[in-house]
Amino acid sequence: LAKTTQPISMDSYEGQEVNITCSHNNIATNDYITWYQQFPSQGPRFIIQGYKTKVTNEVASLFIPADRKSSTLSLPRVSLSDTAVYYCLVSGSARQLTFGSGTQLTVLP
Amino acid sequence: NAGVTQTPKFQVLKTGQSMTLQCAQDMNHEYMSWYRQDPGMGLRLIHYSVGAGITDQGEVPNGYNVSRSTTEDFPLRLLSAAPSQTSVYFCASSDRGGNTIYFGEGSWLTVV
Repeated sequence: LAKTTQPISMDSYEGQEVNITCSHNNIATNDYITWYQQFPSQGPRFIIQGYKTKVTNEVASLFIPADRKSSTLSLPRVSLSDTAVYYCLVSGSARQLTFGSGTQLTVLP
Repeated sequence: NAGVTQTPKFQVLKTGQSMTLQCAQDMNHEYMSWYRQDPGMGLRLIHYSVGAGITDQGEVPNGYNVSRSTTEDFPLRLLSAAPSQTSVYFCASSDRGGNTIYFGEGSWLTVV
């Protein structure tokens, strides 16, 4: 299983773009990169998933360089409600999906 | 859409008692799993199942049993509760590819 490394915490202000980077040096050829968001007292929620290059959906973008050893979750114009823990997962299947400690994002007014 | 349903939401146990946390999903997912999350920590995998009749241990399996008699249900049993098992428990399910994991709302367990 590819191990991931993320910053423990980040602060930002409302309206700014936030980029959270995840390192996964041992990513395997068939692994996908998935990001989840967790609010207090709730289960994690899927944000975005990608394999290579760039993926964008209505809430975020995911940038993956050619070597796939890292990925960056980009949240445009964050608001107070984006304050949460963000997890980066790397896996080629649903077996033994493991979560790291995640990144606590705090959005300040 | 029910998704993943966990019961109970809150439970207080005395040390040594046993109980079962129930989990059901209505998405016909093959993969189901149980995680625990301690305060300020990430999720740790307890047990998982890749299909009916098949279960395996995760990162922190001691003190817990699981079974998977149907695709829909994946109960987690605490055999003899200990204070160290005080935590929030999340059940999750996903399809074969694991493209999206769906989580239940969590079960808050306190062992006194």
